[in-house]
Amino acid sequence: GQQLNQSPQSMFIQEGEDVSMNCTSSSIFNTWLWYKQDPGEGPVLLIALYKAGELTSNGRLTAQFGITRKDSFLNISASIPSDVGIYFCAGPATGNQFYFGTGTSLTVIP
Amino acid sequence: EAGVAQSPRYKIIEKRQSVAFWCNPISGHATLYWYQQILGQGPKLLIQFQNNGVVDDSQLPKDRFSAERLKGVDSTLKIQPAKLEDSAVYLCASSLVGGRTPYEQYFGPGTRLTVT
Repeated sequence: GQQLNQSPQSMFIQEGEDVSMNCTSSSIFNTWLWYKQDPGEGPVLLIALYKAGELTSNGRLTAQFGITRKDSFLNISASIPSDVGIYFCAGPATGNQFYFGTGTSLTVIP
Repeated sequence: EAGVAQSPRYKIIEKRQSVAFWCNPISGHATLYWYQQILGQGPKLLIQFQNNGVVDDSQLPKDRFSAERLKGVDSTLKIQPAKLEDSAVYLCASSLVGGRTPYEQYFGPGTRLTVT
């Protein structure tokens, strides 16, 4: 099946630093979604992207839909302790079957 | 607005036993999804309903897993008989149909299943 690869797999950063992570696929996606999952909870939708090249912000979070439509990027500015969690990219592949990425685990050190 | 409800939150069973999970989506959301999330991995779609019809169940192990959404609202996912490798969190999500946001899924807290 479709594989969405996320990198890095994990990150350890100091509070206040900026964070960048990305997601790549082997096939074209027409929608990219970014989710955050806290321990013991379901994923929470952060940002949705619907157009190649689109740049969308949600507070300190900014996500971009790659021009090739095979990748997407998420940036977090001025990280805070509550940013800790696992970040997933996701989207519908051709045929509309929905896939999630492998996840990036973020740890923020106060 | 109430979120997606799931029950139970935790379940421990022995292999070869049966188990069922329940999900109530956000009011008005016609599309309902069941995912399996194994520890350390992203969620994997098992089945997608639109109203009470199945849209996609290509990754559902149909020899042991079944799901239904009889009245187009609540849904039940069943495993019979369970195997050790079924230990995972089972997530339910829902979304609206059509428009700009058909893929924006909202998740419940999940049911953590442990098979011993």
